[in-house]
Amino acid sequence: NAGVTQTPKFQVLKTGQSMTLQCAQDMNHEYMSWYRQDPGMGLRLIHYSVGAGITDQGEVPNGYNVSRSTTEDFPLRLLSAAPSQTSVYFCASRRRQANYGYTFGSGTRLTVV
Amino acid sequence: GQQVMQIPQYQHVQEGEDFTTYCNSSTTLSNIQWYKQRPGGHPVFLIQLVKSGEVKKQKRLTFQFGEAKKNSSLHITATQTTDVGTYFCAGRGAGGTSYGKLTFGQGTILTVHP
Repeated sequence: NAGVTQTPKFQVLKTGQSMTLQCAQDMNHEYMSWYRQDPGMGLRLIHYSVGAGITDQGEVPNGYNVSRSTTEDFPLRLLSAAPSQTSVYFCASRRRQANYGYTFGSGTRLTVV
Repeated sequence: GQQVMQIPQYQHVQEGEDFTTYCNSSTTLSNIQWYKQRPGGHPVFLIQLVKSGEVKKQKRLTFQFGEAKKNSSLHITATQTTDVGTYFCAGRGAGGTSYGKLTFGQGTILTVHP
């Protein structure tokens, strides 16, 4: 049981490049979310999903796309990277039942130059 | 949209002192969760509060949910160096269908001097 696996752990992009941050969980969790963490800003929700085929926008969705074709995977796509997207990105998942908290991955540290 | 504010942003204490962080929401919450993030790590779920006025304890940690379900607090008694980290509250708005949408506060960074 690996939990929530994020790849890569570190990435440097040039402005304008695109890339996909991978997130996979093996706990059969229905809910998955992507957060970005910046100093002094806490964790801000980018996109979230309550099940396969269902996604919705969070607080800061611009510049990012997601899809949820399977329960296990929830990739985050940066369409055209900008320096403002330099951040640490966390993927998280949890069971639908109300008493469960989110299990977070170890994060992807992204730098856009 | 829903906003969750957390204070203080930083707290420095001597080992053995108590620590409290406060969380306030602009809207009524369905529930509130607390997480701890060690330096360089990822957030780890601590607890969830659901009922109005609820109080829960985990060893030296005491969590409270306000009567109006718009505020919460985390109190640590007699801090230890192992308590170092950032403590986040996170809430889900009451009503609606955004069951998967959890809004985090900015976090309180706790440092403990031995």
